[in-house]
Amino acid sequence: QVQLVQSGAELKKPGASVKLSCRASGYTFTDFAIHWVRQAPGQGLEWMGWINAGDGNTQYSQKFQGRVTITRDASANTAHMEVISLRVEDTGVFYCARGYVRGSHRPDYWGQGTLVTVSS
Amino acid sequence: QSALTQPASVSGSPGQSITLSCSGTSSDIASYSYVSWFQQYPGKAPKVIIFDVSYRPSGVPNRFSGSKSGYTASLTISGLQPEDEADYYCSSYSSSTLWVFGGGTKLTVL
Repeated sequence: QVQLVQSGAELKKPGASVKLSCRASGYTFTDFAIHWVRQAPGQGLEWMGWINAGDGNTQYSQKFQGRVTITRDASANTAHMEVISLRVEDTGVFYCARGYVRGSHRPDYWGQGTLVTVSS
Repeated sequence: QSALTQPASVSGSPGQSITLSCSGTSSDIASYSYVSWFQQYPGKAPKVIIFDVSYRPSGVPNRFSGSKSGYTASLTISGLQPEDEADYYCSSYSSSTLWVFGGGTKLTVL
């Protein structure tokens, strides 16, 4: 069965960076993409970006462009997202989700989420 | 501000039918039949309940249905159940940003 397992919770200081991971199993990793989505406490879902796990092509939300880098290691069936220059308002749960590389590009299966707390 | 617009809250009684709306733009809902709806319980990851406007993944009860007209997508829940109380997010492919979410609607079952 399709599973996405994300790395554990992080506590960071403002200005620091964080790199999250998302390990996929149960499907051919390079046939799909990985989305990253942020959810601030008590708030809605916010799309951050996407990587085609096959060719490494990326696309980012304009809001996060320049501060977020998404990569993948196809040999490890894992996607990573690095966020730099963290701010207190970046606190939230970050989800990865499998996506399609053509057509709708829609997310379907989701990881369990990683809580990132940014606090001095 | 979210790219797609949803009402913040909706309520209904068990057994009723309710419809959640989602308004978009010419870059997303109006131009593509790629609308998905997600259900999220507190502390849990979202789960897709409708994709490509009106298709249900296996295992999703058929009392959930989706539709689209012009700039607006809709999720209808027929025969509301207590377990349907959750947050619901619409989302769509977007030619300007690849994927967008709505701000979410909190459904309360009275």
